[in-house]
Amino acid sequence: EPEVTQTPSHQVTQMGQEVILRCVPISNHLYFYWYRQILGQKVEFLVSFYNNEISEKSEIFDDQFSVERPDGSNFTLKIRSTKLEDSAMYFCASSEALSGNTIYFGEGSWLTVV
Amino acid sequence: GENVEQHPSTLSVQEGDSAVIKCTYSDSASNYFPWYKQELGKRPQLIIDIRSNVGEKKDQRIAVTLNKTAKHFSLHITETQPEDSAVYFCAAEDYDGLTFGKGTHLIIQP
Repeated sequence: EPEVTQTPSHQVTQMGQEVILRCVPISNHLYFYWYRQILGQKVEFLVSFYNNEISEKSEIFDDQFSVERPDGSNFTLKIRSTKLEDSAMYFCASSEALSGNTIYFGEGSWLTVV
Repeated sequence: GENVEQHPSTLSVQEGDSAVIKCTYSDSASNYFPWYKQELGKRPQLIIDIRSNVGEKKDQRIAVTLNKTAKHFSLHITETQPEDSAVYFCAAEDYDGLTFGKGTHLIIQP
């Protein structure tokens, strides 16, 4: 069964550093997402991406964050100048279509900011 | 935007008994309601979903009911087994994508 894959699985970074999290969505999917889950809390929507541009973004997704699809397969989340409160599990996800379609999650990238 | 409330936060049931988790949502435009199961340190995995044109859906031991008028939906797990122990999240889809509830930690007591 096709899966969303993410790298790295775990990254430790110093506060103020930039981090790039990488994702390979399922190949025939058109919509891509990033979600965040702080330890012990709910999954929170960050951003959706379609046709090489952001479709929607939440209040969490401020100027510190950016997304990019640099080639035909990768989808990245960049966090500039990381803060301690950015420590969380970041899930990439994808779906075939936007409304009413199953969203498949990757295994997550656990980011620890020290 | 959408607001999803989920109860209870923790649910402990005896193996073999049924478990019910309830969610409410605020945006009447939401029309897709998936349930995800998340085991410790792993990704959320879809276990069942329901669209607004139906009131109930069943898949073996798992069922979901939807009341659009009252804006609530519930997950029912029958004949619970140890492997059902996990955190379960409900979600509602609006224009911003999925909004998740805070999760229910389901504990199956042997």
